[in-house]
Amino acid sequence: QVQLVQSGAEVKKPGASVKVSCKASGYTFTSYYMHWLRQAPGQGLEWMGIIDPSGGTTAYTQDFQGRLTMTGDTTTGTVSMELRSLRSDDTAVYFCARDFGGLSGLSYYFDYWGQGTLVTVSS
Amino acid sequence: SYELTQPPSVSVSPGQTASITCSGDKLGDKYVCWYQQKTGQSPVLVIYQDTKRPSGIPERFSGSNSGNTATLTITGTQAMDETDYYCQTWDGSTVVFGGGTKLTVL
Repeated sequence: QVQLVQSGAEVKKPGASVKVSCKASGYTFTSYYMHWLRQAPGQGLEWMGIIDPSGGTTAYTQDFQGRLTMTGDTTTGTVSMELRSLRSDDTAVYFCARDFGGLSGLSYYFDYWGQGTLVTVSS
Repeated sequence: SYELTQPPSVSVSPGQTASITCSGDKLGDKYVCWYQQKTGQSPVLVIYQDTKRPSGIPERFSGSNSGNTATLTITGTQAMDETDYYCQTWDGSTVVFGGGTKLTVL
């Protein structure tokens, strides 16, 4: 069965960086794009960007340009998200989520989600 | 930037039909999907491409999209359906979510 397992919770100081990983299993890793999203406490969902695990191509929303890097490792079936220059308003649960489309092409909706990783930014 | 608007809350009696709306400019020209999210859990896709249900999603969940409004309908609402629901679309350059609707079954 498809599983996305994320790394554990992190506590960071303002200005630091955080890296969250997402290990995929149960399907062909390179056949599905992966997205990263986040959800601040008590708030809605926010899309951050996308990575093509087969080639490493990425696209990020303008809000995160310059602070966000997504990478993929086809040998381990893992995608990672690094966010730099953390601020208190980056405190959120971060999710990886698989694109539904697979070989049919990008769909920009999400059929499997990781369990979420809480990142707390506090001095 | 494109915006999706949902009512913050909707109430329904058990066994009745719940309708959750999602509004956006010419939304009917785009595909809409819906997620259910229970407290402390990851979202679950319940409707995609306006009307389609992923495998494992009960038949009581259905969707429609026309004009400026998409609607998630839950027929025969059960207590287990009480939670948050989010609509989502792709506007050509970014993924857009509605603000979420809390469904109360009482």
